[in-house]
Amino acid sequence: KAGVTQTPRYLIKTRGQQVTLSCSPISGHRSVSWYQQTPGQGLQFLFEYFSETQRNKGNFPGRFSGRQFSNSRSEMNVSTLELGDSALYLCASSLEDRETDTQYFGPGTRLTVL
Amino acid sequence: GENVEQHPSTLSVQEGDSAVIKCTYSDSASNYFPWYKQELGKRPQLIIDIRSNVGEKKDQRIAVTLNKTAKHFSLHITETQPEDSAVYFCAASIGGNDYKLSFGAGTTVTVRA
Repeated sequence: KAGVTQTPRYLIKTRGQQVTLSCSPISGHRSVSWYQQTPGQGLQFLFEYFSETQRNKGNFPGRFSGRQFSNSRSEMNVSTLELGDSALYLCASSLEDRETDTQYFGPGTRLTVL
Repeated sequence: GENVEQHPSTLSVQEGDSAVIKCTYSDSASNYFPWYKQELGKRPQLIIDIRSNVGEKKDQRIAVTLNKTAKHFSLHITETQPEDSAVYFCAASIGGNDYKLSFGAGTTVTVRA
């Protein structure tokens, strides 16, 4: 099976702009989680989607939002970008099987805000 | 919310020696504890995980132990090899929810040949 894919891999934006990142989970996986990774804060949970519904949410401001489509692909959107939003954004998908609910990470999207 | 502390932040070991990384968590409802390995410029990859109904789990040179009473869990790597050099992250599920993980800050492991 193909792994988790994310597009684009690199992105440069300026303050105030908005950005949309995409994540395609492993085929058959219905849960998609998003994380922000920065050198200072490490890996932080943004939100998780399952069956097109946001099921869990982290402690990020409302500028960070997401959605999931019927084919389980997910997008996250960041509006009014700030310099501090520069980070590696990782998504992870999971089969949601009680015995094997491992989260598999994508390669990430490196966002740079200038 | 969940707070996961990880120690040490850096670890240098001689090839063939063992490496131990320790994590503590605060949420009593946490019941799933995965460990991820991230090589430079690559995605985190799960290397082992453990659930709260198990005290220890082993997979070849890697083992994880969990002490629910003390709220700490550890990663043990034996017979370390240069390819074990990477950043290792521990994580704990938040509020008993496997799909919401709180990560430790990471341990940079360097295996000296």
